[in-house]
Amino acid sequence: NAGVTQTPKFRILKIGQSMTLQCTQDMNHNYMYWYRQDPGMGLKLIYYSVGAGITDKGEVPNGYNVSRSTTEDFPLRLELAAPSQTSVYFCASSPHSGGAENEQFFGPGTRLTVL
Amino acid sequence: EDQVTQSPEALRLQEGESSSLNCSYTVSGLRGLFWYRQDPGKGPEFLFTLYSAGEEKEKERLKATLTKKESFLHITAPKPEDSATYLCAVQATTKAAGNKLTFGGGTRVLVKP
Repeated sequence: NAGVTQTPKFRILKIGQSMTLQCTQDMNHNYMYWYRQDPGMGLKLIYYSVGAGITDKGEVPNGYNVSRSTTEDFPLRLELAAPSQTSVYFCASSPHSGGAENEQFFGPGTRLTVL
Repeated sequence: EDQVTQSPEALRLQEGESSSLNCSYTVSGLRGLFWYRQDPGKGPEFLFTLYSAGEEKEKERLKATLTKKESFLHITAPKPEDSATYLCAVQATTKAAGNKLTFGGGTRVLVKP
């Protein structure tokens, strides 16, 4: 299993440009998440999904969009990039369990700079 | 609103010098408290989940404990390979849908040989 994979690893955008960050998991997890991590800070939830076709906003959704057409893929779309979106973006997934063990598995991250 | 505060922000230790990291939290109802390790340039890696006050979990030189207001991550006789940022996160019962986590800012640990 590759786990959670993200592409690209690095990207530089100009203000106003758009891009899609890709995320794929091969663990058949229902739940998927997008976080951003600013320098020296913890992770903040952007969007999450509890299954194909179902998405919802997290703490900081403004300026982003998501879709979930398959269990495996959860792309994050940035429209009209702004310098405030300079950050490291992490995708994660977790199994749907009614029990206690529902840890999230993280991808390696995408480092995005908006100039 | 759920809040997680970690202290100290950074910790420099000599190899073998034991210490503890603190994670204070306020949450409407705790479903679980999670500890993650994050190496530079990588995604967080799961360490422990704690569910109720008094619970303890151990993994090699790491031991996590939980009270009703905070959690501690004890590092016993650390080695340079324990250098990383340690993240604490809580999952609230009111936000159980989607297993959402609220993270603290992390503690950067540097262990010098």
